Amino acid sequence: SQKIEQNSEALNIQEGKTATLTCNYTNYSPAYLQWYRQDPGRGPVFLLLIRENEKEKRKERLKVTFDTTLKQSLFHITASQPADSATYLCATHTGTASKLTFGTGTRLQVTL
Amino acid sequence: ETGVTQTPRHLVMGMTNKKSLKCEQHLGHNAMYWYKQSAKKPLELMFVYNFKEQTENNSVPSRFSPECPNSSHLFLHLHTLQPEDSALYLCASTAGSGGASGDEQFFGPGTRLTVL
Repeated sequence: SQKIEQNSEALNIQEGKTATLTCNYTNYSPAYLQWYRQDPGRGPVFLLLIRENEKEKRKERLKVTFDTTLKQSLFHITASQPADSATYLCATHTGTASKLTFGTGTRLQVTL
Repeated sequence: ETGVTQTPRHLVMGMTNKKSLKCEQHLGHNAMYWYKQSAKKPLELMFVYNFKEQTENNSVPSRFSPECPNSSHLFLHLHTLQPEDSALYLCASTAGSGGASGDEQFFGPGTRLTVL
């Protein structure tokens, strides 16, 4: 079955820099990857979806890439702000209807 | 109320208690989900309902019993839980059946459950 791997270590960056988070999948190339943001004690909030035929997707300061050769998606936040501090989750379907598989998430800490 | 709501937000129960978690979505969605989130672990899908019918049971122990009386409401009935069941329980909904279509999941705030 599909497995999603994210760096479980926290990522600490300075305000104004670009944060880059990595999501690797282990099995077949999924039809899409989704990215969510989760704040402590809250449910995840959807940010972006990128399909396998898309190399890149942007939304304001966010950019997601999808590399089927590397089996990897990168999530970038440009001009990062302390308010961007949160855990970011990567997810995709398992191949069966309705089932979404999530990674453990990477915690981002943006400092002044 | 908008989006997906969950009650209670916090719950402490003993191993012999019976309690229920409630989820309501105000989005007109057709699919609803229960997830379990434990520390340092990925979100674990527990159950999926499409148009009130259960379509996924991810090998969840029978001490967790879901109920979906209509497309807007979802319950998780709990009885004789174990301390390792302590976690954040999240409800979510999607417009379609999720999965291969890529529908974004709308999550509720979760219920923080502690089993003593």
